[in-house]
Amino acid sequence: ETGVTQTPRHLVMGMTNKKSLKCEQHLGHNAMYWYKQSAKKPLELMFVYSLEERVENNSVPSRFSPECPNSSHLFLHLHTLQPEDSALYLCASSNALAYNEQFFGPGTRLTVL
Amino acid sequence: AQSVTQPDIHITVSEGASLELRCNYSYGATPYLFWYVQSPGQGLQLLLKYFSGDTLVQGIKGFEAEFKRSQSSFNLRKPSVHWSDAAEYFCAVAHSGGYQKVTFGTGTKLQVIP
Repeated sequence: ETGVTQTPRHLVMGMTNKKSLKCEQHLGHNAMYWYKQSAKKPLELMFVYSLEERVENNSVPSRFSPECPNSSHLFLHLHTLQPEDSALYLCASSNALAYNEQFFGPGTRLTVL
Repeated sequence: AQSVTQPDIHITVSEGASLELRCNYSYGATPYLFWYVQSPGQGLQLLLKYFSGDTLVQGIKGFEAEFKRSQSSFNLRKPSVHWSDAAEYFCAVAHSGGYQKVTFGTGTKLQVIP
């Protein structure tokens, strides 16, 4: 595997379900990000982990819970979501100790029924 | 706070024609600027970036962008568009710091007609 991978690519869940999104980066980076991309809205930064420490939490509802067990893996745990949470969830990674770009995964298309 | 404006939501060009996508940013210091492209159902791929130095930067797939500080702009250009360039394009600005806190524009969707 190369770059940034995300699983699953598609997820349909009910409002009472609990599910998790997984992101893995194979680039040796030490910062990882979750973004939400909804139709007709700019990408919304949700969470940032830098050197395995959460450094950003942009007023995200508590039904979204991130986890970063190591610098290569990032999870987004989902529970009791709402239909308006349906979106493309993108993971990205970068080098926290240098100025460079973020590398994105292909995203997970989430539909909440 | 930093912000990015992409005034064109949708652009249609003919294959072989030139392309310019506009981007204006608001940021108090020297910005770090990016253009990303997103094909349907895919993540974002970096086309090019500007950190410092030469204000005309070359990217992948024949794209270039010019940083104009006086106009707070970072427009993306391509001299001859191919049908495979049809996608959504995002301009982004980042602040200085360790990890990248990036602000994205709302995107410009490019349609290419034969």
